[in-house]
Amino acid sequence: GAVVSQHPSRVICKSGTSVKIECRSLDFQATTMFWYRQFPKQSLMLMATSNEGSKATYEQGVEKDKFLINHASLTLSTLTVTSAHPEDSSFYICSARGRRGNTDTQYFGPGTRLTVL
Amino acid sequence: GNSVTQMEGPVTLSEEAFLTINCTYTATGYPSLFWYVQYPGEGLQLLLKATKADDKGSNKGFEATYRKETTSFHLEKGSVQVSDSAVYFCALRGWEGKSTFGDGTTLTVKP
Repeated sequence: GAVVSQHPSRVICKSGTSVKIECRSLDFQATTMFWYRQFPKQSLMLMATSNEGSKATYEQGVEKDKFLINHASLTLSTLTVTSAHPEDSSFYICSARGRRGNTDTQYFGPGTRLTVL
Repeated sequence: GNSVTQMEGPVTLSEEAFLTINCTYTATGYPSLFWYVQYPGEGLQLLLKATKADDKGSNKGFEATYRKETTSFHLEKGSVQVSDSAVYFCALRGWEGKSTFGDGTTLTVKP
């Protein structure tokens, strides 16, 4: 079964609104969360890395004020797309890393498809 | 930095044909290597992985061997099916957990 979930799976919003995407690790504590973005027919690009309780580290070219990442607990990270615009329409995928039993493990979430009208 | 180069697509094969999708990488240290599959409108599914040199990952008839000497991780399947039609991503993961993906190869299998 899934060990990392994302909510919502799909969201459509109007331009200028903010959208929050949740990423949860279901049966392990995720000390690190990664957020990726995938544009249509393109590959995944890392946006940012967040460690629980710390500020996220953003990749070059990613606006930290536009893509707010919160990793307040060991099972939940959120990505908020602020003042979304049509060019932010994309597939957002999280990846959670932590220990599951005695094993260092990492899983991808199923993704959230954001469409900004 | 790390990078992954995949064979350009799209690839179109007839059912039961042999599949090879080439993947080479550049990385510092000793990354783990992965193949993911993505069906239309869906998220990534891990297909197989290898964590050290000479390891062979296999799943659902697909195989790939971690070749450190050639920095390659080519995906192969002896007999493809229509249901294998999807986009395939080669990826590496460094020690810090960040994944770097290739551009993806679209496979279409015709009956």
